[in-house]
Amino acid sequence: EAQVTQNPRYLITVTGKKLTVTCSQNMNHEYMSWYRQDPGLGLRQIYYSMNVEVTDKGDVPEGYKVSRKEKRNFPLILESPSPNQTSLYFCASSFKGVAQYFGPGTRLTVL
Amino acid sequence: AQSVTQLGSHVSVSEGALVLLRCNYSSSVPPYLFWYVQYPNQGLQLLLKYTTGATLVKGINGFEAEFKKSETSFHLTKPSAHMSDAAEYFCAVSDQKSGGYNKLIFGAGTRLAVHP
Repeated sequence: EAQVTQNPRYLITVTGKKLTVTCSQNMNHEYMSWYRQDPGLGLRQIYYSMNVEVTDKGDVPEGYKVSRKEKRNFPLILESPSPNQTSLYFCASSFKGVAQYFGPGTRLTVL
Repeated sequence: AQSVTQLGSHVSVSEGALVLLRCNYSSSVPPYLFWYVQYPNQGLQLLLKYTTGATLVKGINGFEAEFKKSETSFHLTKPSAHMSDAAEYFCAVSDQKSGGYNKLIFGAGTRLAVHP
């Protein structure tokens, strides 16, 4: 089954404690991206990757890092989380990107 | 820069009534347009998309949308609402990046409630 998986689905952490949210896709897609969803703002892109070792900033990259060492994986790293990063995060993938497949989401709370 | 405006953050309809969710976009180039649905505690699912060709696009679950270039609109409709249509709906436009990869610009979303 074609899918995008994210882990963990729910995470509560404290300010400053480094965390990683994993994302994996089994469709051999070249393009992967991370979005955050906040009420009244829709989804905003954090980072995207066009292929292995190729990443670039989206609209709201501050406070986040990503890496793309393998085609199927695209982890999101928060090195020093802050309360304003409390949000719902979605990973997405596509082939040449005219439509995207989304993961189930990770709900992050930073205290 | 491209942007998307969804009129109405909440829409309420009766079961069996017409569903109309409004979406207007701004774009300096021909856009790709999308509607996604998000059910509670789930990720986004693609309902339908417009890239080129026919301006009336049919999607899953009986939804359709019409691309109207003169009005810069891409409204989502369904003739008869079902209780199972209750969800949040997002309109999105693509922003062409170099190399052929597109970024999605999302609207703020419209939460649809369906009443018996």
